[in-house]
Amino acid sequence: AAGVIQSPRHLIKEKRETATLKCYPIPRHDTVYWYQQGPGQDPQFLISFYEKMQSDKGSIPDRFSAQQFSDYHSELNMSSLELGDSALYFCASGIRGGSTDTQYFGPGTRLTVL
Amino acid sequence: AQKVTQAQTEISVVEKEDVTLDCVYETRDTTYYLFWYKQPPSGELVFLIRRNSFDEQNEISGRYSWNFQKSTSSFNFTITASQVVDSAVYFCALVNDYKLSFGAGTTVTVRA
Repeated sequence: AAGVIQSPRHLIKEKRETATLKCYPIPRHDTVYWYQQGPGQDPQFLISFYEKMQSDKGSIPDRFSAQQFSDYHSELNMSSLELGDSALYFCASGIRGGSTDTQYFGPGTRLTVL
Repeated sequence: AQKVTQAQTEISVVEKEDVTLDCVYETRDTTYYLFWYKQPPSGELVFLIRRNSFDEQNEISGRYSWNFQKSTSSFNFTITASQVVDSAVYFCALVNDYKLSFGAGTTVTVRA
């Protein structure tokens, strides 16, 4: 079965640089979620999109922005990177209002800021 | 407010032992979903099981089983006859407004 695809899998950036993470949801899923997981921590919700519109916002820094495109893929843009942005970034997809509310996660993008 | 508590930080067992992971949650919703996810050393988050609040029937799926008790707000997860490949961090999670709130995770180490 198709799964959530994330690219790149690993990314190394310098402080103050920008990064773009991409997410391709499972086909026919209408909702995309982004989570950030710091070292030794649980994943924290950043932002979500339902049918290409931003639907919920969590603890996402103003330096970060995201969007969902017409083909349902999503991109998380991160600017003025800081050391503390080093984390595993997950994208998940699901069907909002579906009978299960299950979110299926991609393999994650490991971002290292030097 | 939503809150998920996993009191066990780490559990270490020998292969073939059973492992039970505790999860306690808080929510004001009357209808909600609870989940268990597994995060192996490779880092991905793997969906394991889901339980909705209006179905307290406990189930077994292979070596996994779960015990959902609404009266005590607990959603415990058991791995029977553990294997080395079960070594991972296990997260309990609760959905609220389509956002997952995770517990802090329990690291399970299964020794050969």
